[in-house]
Amino acid sequence: EVQLVESGGGLVQPGGSLRLSCAASGFTFNSYWMTWVRQAPGKGLEWVANIKGDGSEKKYVDSVKGRFTISRDNAKNSVYLQMNSLRAEDTGVYYCARGEWDLDWGQGTLVNVSA
Amino acid sequence: DIVMTQSPLSLPVTPGEPASISCRSSQSLVKYLDWYLQKPGQSPQVLIRLGSNRASGVPDRFSGSGSGTDFTLKISRVEAEDVGVYYCMQTLQAPYSFGQGTRLGIK
Repeated sequence: EVQLVESGGGLVQPGGSLRLSCAASGFTFNSYWMTWVRQAPGKGLEWVANIKGDGSEKKYVDSVKGRFTISRDNAKNSVYLQMNSLRAEDTGVYYCARGEWDLDWGQGTLVNVSA
Repeated sequence: DIVMTQSPLSLPVTPGEPASISCRSSQSLVKYLDWYLQKPGQSPQVLIRLGSNRASGVPDRFSGSGSGTDFTLKISRVEAEDVGVYYCMQTLQAPYSFGQGTRLGIK
C-alpha cells in the first residue's frame, strides 16, 4: 500500500522559510517522479513542482521559481520542498503525491504565512 | 502555459441520474489528461488517467473521453458518495495545471 506522510507545515511570517518533508513507503521510491500540489483555503488545486526518480529533472510553476526548491533523498525514501521568501499567497495545504501523472496523494500539511 | 477550463462549475444532480463535466485546454493535450475527485475533507483521488483509462478500483459508472483540447467525464448514474469537487489536470507540459474544479452536489 502506498503511504505518503507530509510534515513540516506551520505558521511562518512573510519573508520566512519552511521545509516540507514527505516520507514515502509501499513502493520502489526511486522509480517514481514525485510531485507537490497545493490548495489555498477554499480554493482549487495548484501544481507546484515535481522531480524525477533519480533527481535529474525538476520542474516548477512560475510563481515559485527562485523561491522554492524540490529535492529528494532516495536512501531515506523522502522528498522535500524548501520554501523561502514566503508570501501570504503561499498559504494552503501542501500535498505530496507519487508520480508525474496518475497521482497518488498524501494527506497534506498546512502552511500558514501570516504576520 | 496551458490553461484548463472546466464547465459547469457547479452541478446539482438527482441520484440515479447521469452527470457530465467538460474540460477544455488552451492547446492540444493529445491524451495527457487526468480526472480527480476530492471528496469533502479528503485528499484528491485519481479517477481517470490519460483521458479515458479508469484507475484501479474506480466504479465503472465513471468514464472519460476526448482528446486534443476537449475532454469529458461522465457518471452514468450518480450516487450519494460521488459528491465532491472534480478536477481535470493536464500533464502534457510543465507547468502542469488543473481546471478550476466542478462541485457536484445532490439535489
